[in-house]
Amino acid sequence: DTGVSQDPRHKITKRGQNVTFRCDPISEHNRLYWYRQTLGQGPEFLTYFQNEAQLEKSRLLSDRFSAERPKGSFSTLEIQRTEQGDSAMYLCASSLGTTFLLQTGELFFGEGSRLTVL
Amino acid sequence: AQSVSQHNHHVILSEAASLELGCNYSYGGTVNLFWYVQYPGQHLQLLLKYFSGDPLVKGIKGFEAEFIKSKFSFNLRKPSVQWSDTAEYFCAVIVSISNFGNEKLTFGTGTRLTIIP
Repeated sequence: DTGVSQDPRHKITKRGQNVTFRCDPISEHNRLYWYRQTLGQGPEFLTYFQNEAQLEKSRLLSDRFSAERPKGSFSTLEIQRTEQGDSAMYLCASSLGTTFLLQTGELFFGEGSRLTVL
Repeated sequence: AQSVSQHNHHVILSEAASLELGCNYSYGGTVNLFWYVQYPGQHLQLLLKYFSGDPLVKGIKGFEAEFIKSKFSFNLRKPSVQWSDTAEYFCAVIVSISNFGNEKLTFGTGTRLTIIP
């Protein structure tokens, strides 16, 4: 499968623990996005990268959240000191090109990493 | 900031019925509009998109959507639904501004569509 892959698919953790999610985008896709989706809501933008540069962070992303894309390929999203409100599906998506609007406008999504904080 | 509204949270139809899902956006300038679909157990995927030109756009699996600028709407339609159309449908918008900070999709809350055989 050459699509976007995310790991782990499901993580159950206790409040206060740290968790890390990994996303492997489609090869050669420059853009990588993280979204969060809770039940009954659409995906909410968290952050995105152009190669290794993090270009924008949502105000939803508190100081406990950090994302990296060290070599411009895979990305990690770490949540420190998890809270029950962090329970959600964390979606990764990628797209080709330096300017999204000049491309097809299509984001290729992974299947998500579901976080449950007890 | 742009936002997207989908007022139909859950729609239940019988097979062969016609479908229209509402989508309204709030931005007065140039926008690009999308519908994404998520089938049960699968990832989000693009159904159709509007960038410019003909306001009636056709997508995969017989879906179409009409961009009506005066109504700030981009409703999704299908003349005859099938059981396999059961899924969650998300409308999304991106504002056509070239500077960084707007290079992201903003999604609506989604509409769950259930088709009864």
